[in-house]
Amino acid sequence: GAVVSQHPSWVICKSGTSVKIECRSLDFQATTMFWYRQFPKQSLMLMATSNEGSKATYEQGVEKDKFLINHASLTLSTLTVTSAHPEDSSFYICSAADPVRAFGYTFGSGTRLTVV
Amino acid sequence: AQKITQTQPGMFVQEKEAVTLDCTYDTSDQSYGLFWYKQPSSGEMIFLIYQGSYDEQNATEGRYSLNFQKARKSANLVISASQLGDSAMYFCAMREPNTGNQFYFGTGTSLTVIP
Repeated sequence: GAVVSQHPSWVICKSGTSVKIECRSLDFQATTMFWYRQFPKQSLMLMATSNEGSKATYEQGVEKDKFLINHASLTLSTLTVTSAHPEDSSFYICSAADPVRAFGYTFGSGTRLTVV
Repeated sequence: AQKITQTQPGMFVQEKEAVTLDCTYDTSDQSYGLFWYKQPSSGEMIFLIYQGSYDEQNATEGRYSLNFQKARKSANLVISASQLGDSAMYFCAMREPNTGNQFYFGTGTSLTVIP
C-alpha cells in the first residue's frame, strides 16, 4: 500500500511556542489529507480536512487560528500548533486516501506533542 | 447518534485462541466502507481489513476476517490463532463517500493476548 510519512514522531516544546508537524505522501499524490487528534486511551477525532491549493476545512470546535494547516503541494500537508499550551499535548496523526485500496486511507505514524 | 459503536473497552484472549471484537455502525447510505485498524502502543494506525457495503462475501485477510451482517449493521472482527503481537488497540471505522470522505472511528477495544 501507499505510505504516508509524518515528522516529527515526537516533540517537546515550551508553552507559547509554535510547533510544525509535516505529513508527506510518498510515491503518490494526495489532494486531500486529514488531521486527527487522539487523547490517551481515546479514539481519533477529526480536526480538519486539508485540501491542496485551498483552505482547510475545520471541524466544529477546532480553532483554525491555533491549528494552522497548509497544503501547498500534492505531497505535503503541514499542521502548525501556534502558541502551544499544555492542553494541546496530544497525539496528532494524519492520513491520506490510499490510491491502491478502494475507499482506503493510509495513516502517518503520528506525532506525540508534549507542551511543558 | 454514534456512527460507530464498539462496546468492548477491553478484551483478553489466550494465545492461539480466536477472538471476536464487536462493531456496530449507523448509516442511511447504501454505499459505505467499513474498516478495522490496529494501533499498537507506538501509535501508528495499521490497516487490517476492509468490507464494502456491496460486498456479498465476508472479507478475509490472513488471520483476520470480518463478520459482516448488513441487516444488523454489524462488522465484527475475528482474529484467529491469536499471537502475543496482536495485543493492541483495535478501531472500527466507517467511511461514507457521500459525506465528505472522512472516517468515523469507534472508541476502540484494547486487546490483550495472554501467553
